[in-house]
Amino acid sequence: KNQVEQSPQSLIILEGKNCTLQCNYTVSPFSNLRWYKQDTGRGPVSLTIMTFSENTKSNGRYTATLDADTKQSSLHITASQLSDSASYICVVRRTDSWGKLQFGAGTQVVVTP
Amino acid sequence: DSGVTQTPKHLITATGQRVTLRCSPRSGDLSVYWYQQSLDQGLQFLIQYYNGEERAKGNILERFSAQQFPDLHSELNLSSLELGDSALYFCASSIRDSRVNEQFFGPGTRLTVL
Repeated sequence: KNQVEQSPQSLIILEGKNCTLQCNYTVSPFSNLRWYKQDTGRGPVSLTIMTFSENTKSNGRYTATLDADTKQSSLHITASQLSDSASYICVVRRTDSWGKLQFGAGTQVVVTP
Repeated sequence: DSGVTQTPKHLITATGQRVTLRCSPRSGDLSVYWYQQSLDQGLQFLIQYYNGEERAKGNILERFSAQQFPDLHSELNLSSLELGDSALYFCASSIRDSRVNEQFFGPGTRLTVL
């Protein structure tokens, strides 16, 4: 079973609307959680990195939250743009695994005009 | 542009063949990571090198091997290729081998095995 579960699997939203993506993890011991944006056929690009003590982190119109107690994270996209169409991947790192990240399957977001 | 370069961009080959994928990390980055992303699959960690030494191993098949050279570029060798090896192969780099260091991904090499 994947230790990082993302929902929904896919999402279609109208341009200008907001949306929230969810990430639940069971990875332990926890080091940090990252959200990546991956355009089709391209390498992932980091949006945020949060450690245990951080609850919220923003990067422009992207805001990530982390609840380390419930092992949940969310990524909120505000005022979506067509360029936000991509796969958003939640990635969790353990404190005892050098280099090895646990990847979620991603949420495919499609922004329509 | 992340600063990580990968060559070739596309590779088409036949089953049973061997190929080499190349990665140049960002200037100053000592760690290199290799990932495989099959169609409709998530990213799978293969292997990590730090300053020339293997640091961590993930779901890497025995038919696959990698190395990091003194100039820090890395190569991923895939042999006895099978249809199922068709995938996007990404290289990423980070400045150190720290748990918090951000990884910067290259554009990927798309491998098609016919």
